[in-house]
Amino acid sequence: NAGVTQTPKFQVLKTGQSMTLQCAQDMNHNSMYWYRQDPGMGLRLIYYSASEGTTDKGEVPNGYNVSRLNKREFSLRLESAAPSQTSVYFCASSWNYGYTFGSGTRLTVV
Amino acid sequence: GENVEQHPSTLSVQEGDSAVIKCTYSDSASNYFPWYKQELGKRPQLIIDIRSNVGEKKDQRIAVTLNKTAKHFSLHITETQPEDSAVYFCAASKDYGGATNKLIFGTGTLLAVQP
Repeated sequence: NAGVTQTPKFQVLKTGQSMTLQCAQDMNHNSMYWYRQDPGMGLRLIYYSASEGTTDKGEVPNGYNVSRLNKREFSLRLESAAPSQTSVYFCASSWNYGYTFGSGTRLTVV
Repeated sequence: GENVEQHPSTLSVQEGDSAVIKCTYSDSASNYFPWYKQELGKRPQLIIDIRSNVGEKKDQRIAVTLNKTAKHFSLHITETQPEDSAVYFCAASKDYGGATNKLIFGTGTLLAVQP
């Protein structure tokens, strides 16, 4: 029982490159979330998915897209990375209330 | 939308003292208030939570209080220990019991417990 697994753990991108952050959970949770964490700004919600096949914008969705491929997987895509997207990205899943977070992806855009 | 403010941003206490972190929220419809602890380089982990129909909840050395009228809630840690040193985040949600539970987080408090 791995919980929430994120890949990769670290990534360096050049401005304008694209990439997909992967997230998978094995707890049979319906809801999944993507947050970004920046110093002094806490965790901000990018996108979330209430169930398979549905996604909605959070507080800071610009520059990102998501896919809820199935109940287990929720991916975050940066189509054209910008230095402002340098951050630590956390995926989380929940059932009812408590979140389980993944270990995070540290992304640097140069 | 919901806004959560958290104070102080840093807090230094002596081992054995108490620590209090305060948060205010803007949306009176919020009904769920968790607290997360994040150690350096690790993921946030839930340490305690409270629902809007409860005024106080305690778990060993940790307690949370909620004042719905004033729209603020607080984390209290007694008899602090060096292992309590971490960043603490408060959060609020108005979706408790619904299809999702979107959490809006405060900006975090770095707690340092000096031995």
